[in-house]
Amino acid sequence: AQSVTQLDSHVSVSEGTPVLLRCNYSSSYSPSLFWYVQHPNKGLQLLLKYTSAATLVKGINGFEAEFKKSETSFHLTKPSAHMSDAAEYFCVVRGSQGNLIFGKGTKLSVKP
Amino acid sequence: NAGVMQNPRHLVRRRGQEARLRCSPMKGHSHVYWYRQLPEEGLKFMVYLQKENIIDESGMPKERFSAEFPKEGPSILRIQQVVRGDSAAYFCASSPSGQVSFNTGELFFGEGSRLTVL
Repeated sequence: AQSVTQLDSHVSVSEGTPVLLRCNYSSSYSPSLFWYVQHPNKGLQLLLKYTSAATLVKGINGFEAEFKKSETSFHLTKPSAHMSDAAEYFCVVRGSQGNLIFGKGTKLSVKP
Repeated sequence: NAGVMQNPRHLVRRRGQEARLRCSPMKGHSHVYWYRQLPEEGLKFMVYLQKENIIDESGMPKERFSAEFPKEGPSILRIQQVVRGDSAAYFCASSPSGQVSFNTGELFFGEGSRLTVL
């Protein structure tokens, strides 16, 4: 069965410093992985996706993620945090039935 | 180009009442997914529907919950005899093709319906 584990429930960074949101996956086959972002009281928006092409995936708003099979990881990074990045981020893996399986989320706070 | 529309955005019900949540997918999308988000939890898959068909309801509670997506009109998630534990945000998502295409993988989400059971 496919699953994802987000290692941190909360991450706090200062504006202008790097962001690292960690995610490990479990999959019996080559996974399709995604990061979604949810701003307060809003729906979810796709940040980026990995579907077995390049292992370094670039997304919107300066975010990127690297698929590392040896570490079963798909961590989300951004070189420099902006106040508008404060939100909740979900690591997601495609399930065998085609639906999306979500991690529990990481809340990112950005301090001025 | 309207996105996924959900209504109501907020719904308050007393225990034992019924809750009906509606979802209109994006134009051109014929596949709808319902997810539930409990406080401090990620989204949990509930059900996947095409027009007039339930494709996968493996995440739906066996009792009190039902979903439909008629030929005409929005998809509806119905919760009968609500209990306090049903309080959550319910998100609808749509896609143009089934089983979240391996080439795109993207679901388009609505802003959610937040159900509070008193």
